[in-house]
Amino acid sequence: GQQVMQIPQYQHVQEGEDFTTYCNSSTTLSNIQWYKQRPGGHPVFLIQLVKSGEVKKQKRLTFQFGEAKKNSSLHITATQTTDVGTYFCAHEDTDKLIFGTGTRLQVFP
Amino acid sequence: DAGVTQSPTHLIKTRGQQVTLRCSPKSGHDTVSWYQQALGQGPQFIFQYYEEEERQRGNFPDRFSGHQFPNYSSELNVNALLLGDSALYLCASNTNYVGNTEAFFGQGTRLTVV
Repeated sequence: GQQVMQIPQYQHVQEGEDFTTYCNSSTTLSNIQWYKQRPGGHPVFLIQLVKSGEVKKQKRLTFQFGEAKKNSSLHITATQTTDVGTYFCAHEDTDKLIFGTGTRLQVFP
Repeated sequence: DAGVTQSPTHLIKTRGQQVTLRCSPKSGHDTVSWYQQALGQGPQFIFQYYEEEERQRGNFPDRFSGHQFPNYSSELNVNALLLGDSALYLCASNTNYVGNTEAFFGQGTRLTVV
């Protein structure tokens, strides 16, 4: 399956600042999923996007799927210390998930 | 309702040894996938089991093998362990419905090869 790149690799923010991670593919994706993995934990499903240009919100989190279905973003408004962790995008490739490289978020109080 | 459970949580093995990791899927799930996550990287797909058959396989050598039992639980076996096999091994389960690819992950088994 095609590799999915995420930027940035690391992000350190002050509590209350916004945070965005981007996921980019060289080919069209059938869907995109986002997972959060706390330090020492396991990936936890956040959301799935399927339609071109789709935008979904979960409280302070906004997820977007690009018009060409080649990129996606996760935006967190007013970060909190509970947002700390690594955020992965992943796409389905014939029933298996191909994960992005991840963005590690650190939030300073 | 128990989620995905894996055992053991931690394991230390010596190079050349063999290891077996176990996974019980979330209740109602019939499909089990295994992933390897090296430190600082994203999970890498190893293989997937459905109806006791290996349905998909990632780019892993034959030293990695698996099994699924009639109760949907699964095992991952790794033979001739290498230092590079040290990683977090994650089991994920879901149901075999079209378009339903949300994966529920277990807490993982941390394997250290010395």
